[in-house]
Parts: sequence; structure tokens; C-alpha cells
Amino acid sequence: DARVTQTPRHKVTEMGQEVTMRCQPILGHNTVFWYRQTMMQGLELLAYFRNRAPLDDSGMPKDRFSAEMPDATLATLKIQPSEPRDSAVYFCASGFSGGADTQYFGPGTRLTVL
Amino acid sequence: QKEVEQDPGPLSVPEGAIVSLNCTYSNSAFQYFMWYRQYSRKGPELLMYTYSSGNKEDGRFTAQVDKSSKYISLFIRDSQPSDSATYLCAMSGGKLIFGQGTELSVKP
Repeated sequence: DARVTQTPRHKVTEMGQEVTMRCQPILGHNTVFWYRQTMMQGLELLAYFRNRAPLDDSGMPKDRFSAEMPDATLATLKIQPSEPRDSAVYFCASGFSGGADTQYFGPGTRLTVL
Repeated sequence: QKEVEQDPGPLSVPEGAIVSLNCTYSNSAFQYFMWYRQYSRKGPELLMYTYSSGNKEDGRFTAQVDKSSKYISLFIRDSQPSDSATYLCAMSGGKLIFGQGTELSVKP
């Protein structure tokens, strides 16, 4: 049963600290997406990769957020320094490019910044 | 104006009712239309998708797309308490654009 995995599932940190979230996409998928979900804004696309190359990170605050794919089995999202307004659930999703662009979501990382 | 509009609800129905969930959109370039279901504290899961206009049925679920009206619907027949979740529409035009999600509660 292929699934997207994310770690950690929960993270509580102090303002100003660095946060790193990790994602393992489904084997064979060539697109990876990072989303942030809040009650107020819903699902917001932060960044996405195709074949490990970043294609769009326009939804991401560039001064503090960074996203990378060091290899095909790992995607990372970093926040440095973190702020209370970053508190949200962060989802990773993977899929195949082209056609329906269907995406399969991980369980999310629930981040709380105090 | 958002590209995809979805009534956030909440929507509460009795068990066995027919549920209608809807989204409107503004970008005529969208080709694929999807519905995701998200249970509390879980990631969204793909429920079904359709290409262009028409209907698609999967068990108790029917997805409808009317491209001329830029309107999509998801119908749930014989709704069950286990259908209680947030339903998000999504549309593809290179990348997925999600609606805000409609929170559905099916009461026993």
C-alpha cells in the first residue's frame, strides 16, 4: 500500500527556531507538492517540484521558507526563523505530471510555533 | 475573486439523505475536476475525478461537471455517518487549485 509519509507528525517549537519537515513521496511519482492548511486560508500551495526541479515556489515566503528535493525519495521544507503565524498543518503530496495531475497526500505535520 | 469558490458550510443532514456539494470556477482552461475527502486530522484523499463535462458515478457518489456554467457537483446518495468529513473540490490546469472545502456532518 503505497503512501506518502511525513515526519514529524507534530512539532511544537519556540518562535525563532528552525523547523524542518520531511516528506517521502510515493515511489515512481515525479511531482511533489508542499501545502499549508489553516482554517482561515484553506489549502495553500507553497511549492512544487517536477523530476526534483523546483517549478513554482511563488506561494512561499522566501525570506524564511525554503524547499528542496535532495533526492527522489526525500523532500524537505524548512522554516527559519519560525514565527507564530506559521502555525498550521503542512501537507506534502505527490503524483504524476500531465493528465489529471491527481495528487496523493501525506498525513501532514501539525506545527505550533509559540 | 478566487479561481474556485466553494461554500464552506457546515452542512448537516440526517442519515440516508442525498447530499449535494458544489463548486464554481472562473478559469475556462480547467480540464480535470476532482473531489477530495478529508477526515478530521487527516490528509485529503482523492475520491474521484472527471475529465471535461459529464457525469461519473462510483457507488453512492456521483460527480457532475458543467463546463458551460463553470459549475461542478458531488452527490452522495444514502449518506452515512462515515461520510462526515470536509469535501474539497479541485481543478487542474497545470497545477491543482482547491476550493475552500465544505464541512459535512451526517447525523445518525
